[in-house]
Amino acid sequence: EIVLTQSPATLSLSPGERATLSCRASQSVSSYLAWYQQKPGQAPRLLIYDASNRATGIPARFSGSGSGTDFTLTISSLEPEDFAVYYCQLLITFGQGTRLEIK
Amino acid sequence: EVQLVQSGAEVKKPGESLRISCKGSGYSFTSYWISWVRQMPGKGLEWMGRIDPSDSYTNYSPSFQGHVTISADKSISTAYLQWSSLKASDTAMYYCARILPEGYYMDVWGKGTTVTVSS
Repeated sequence: EIVLTQSPATLSLSPGERATLSCRASQSVSSYLAWYQQKPGQAPRLLIYDASNRATGIPARFSGSGSGTDFTLTISSLEPEDFAVYYCQLLITFGQGTRLEIK
Repeated sequence: EVQLVQSGAEVKKPGESLRISCKGSGYSFTSYWISWVRQMPGKGLEWMGRIDPSDSYTNYSPSFQGHVTISADKSISTAYLQWSSLKASDTAMYYCARILPEGYYMDVWGKGTTVTVSS
């Protein structure tokens, strides 16, 4: 069973700053990785699939990279609406999430 | 507009049965698999299983196999998640989501159904 480990658990940043979120797989998973954003009281939203492809309607400030075991979600310049919890996903496994909070 | 509309919140007692629903609209329901995802209070996302509405073929996560049943009625574009005997530990939010043809990626989500199991 593949385990996905996200870091950090919580990231405190200010609007306008750059956010870098990490997802590490316990074994190589090629590029079959997705990222989701979840705001309080809302369903998750697909941001990135196949490690680096933005889903429909996702702003260009969101980008994904990586392959094998190490993946990164980057938000180039944080907007107020970006503060949320972010999950990575491989097949049937989710990471435990990174909470992005306002500093 | 592509959307998944889930049934309303449920409050049940331990041992009771339950079926919640997820109705798709705005797209060809039989062209996309539907998955179910659990989120326990204050916790992360857990993938439960998926169904191909065209033929009702299902896959389950080992963690949920035997504990829930996923089904679909393509004539009314609706998928279901059901329990035969609820436990307090089934208290959670349950989301249905449409799966992209590329694999397990979920691009359209329902708003979720809250299930509370309490005596």
